[in-house]
Amino acid sequence: NAGVTQTPKFQVLKTGQSMTLQCAQDMNHEYMSWYRQDPGMGLRLIHYSVGAGITDQGEVPNGYNVSRSTTEDFPLRLLSAAPSQTSVYFCASSGQPNQPQHFGDGTRLSIL
Amino acid sequence: DQQVKQNSPSLSVQEGRISILNCDYTNSMFDYFLWYKKYPAEGPTFLISISSIKDKNEDGRFTVFLNKSAKHLSLHIVPSQPGDSAVYFCAATDAGNQFYFGTGTSLTVIP
Repeated sequence: NAGVTQTPKFQVLKTGQSMTLQCAQDMNHEYMSWYRQDPGMGLRLIHYSVGAGITDQGEVPNGYNVSRSTTEDFPLRLLSAAPSQTSVYFCASSGQPNQPQHFGDGTRLSIL
Repeated sequence: DQQVKQNSPSLSVQEGRISILNCDYTNSMFDYFLWYKKYPAEGPTFLISISSIKDKNEDGRFTVFLNKSAKHLSLHIVPSQPGDSAVYFCAATDAGNQFYFGTGTSLTVIP
């Protein structure tokens, strides 16, 4: 039972590059979300999805895009990476929005 | 502005004693609260939750207390064990689709 799988675990980008952080879950969860964790800031919600084809913005959505074409996958795209996006990114899922979430182990992203 | 606050970045406790982690919130619409535990290089894992219709919820060594009038919740761990050493996050939601997390408290349990 893999749970929530995030790839890659580590990534270094140059300013202006684009990339996609992958997130997949095998629990048939409807609700998926992306957070970033920064020192002294806790986890902040970037985007979330309540089901395939439905996405919405969280607290800090600027500079990120998401899509949800299947129940299992919820990729996060950085369109033009900036040093301010250096962070640890966590993907999470739950059966319903108001339930405890299962988290992946994170992607540590550095932007130079 | 941070809607969920954990004002103690760190806490050290002797093994066997009680650990008390605190969390304050500002949004009176929050009605469901959770605690997560996080080890280094891993994602947070759910620990315990409480609905606003209760003031206490217990699960083994872990108890969460909610004081709605003070907008305050706390997590008690009794007895504390070295394996409890981790970062603890509180989180809250208002029955919407978004959770708001605190900044975390790093607990060290000293053997």
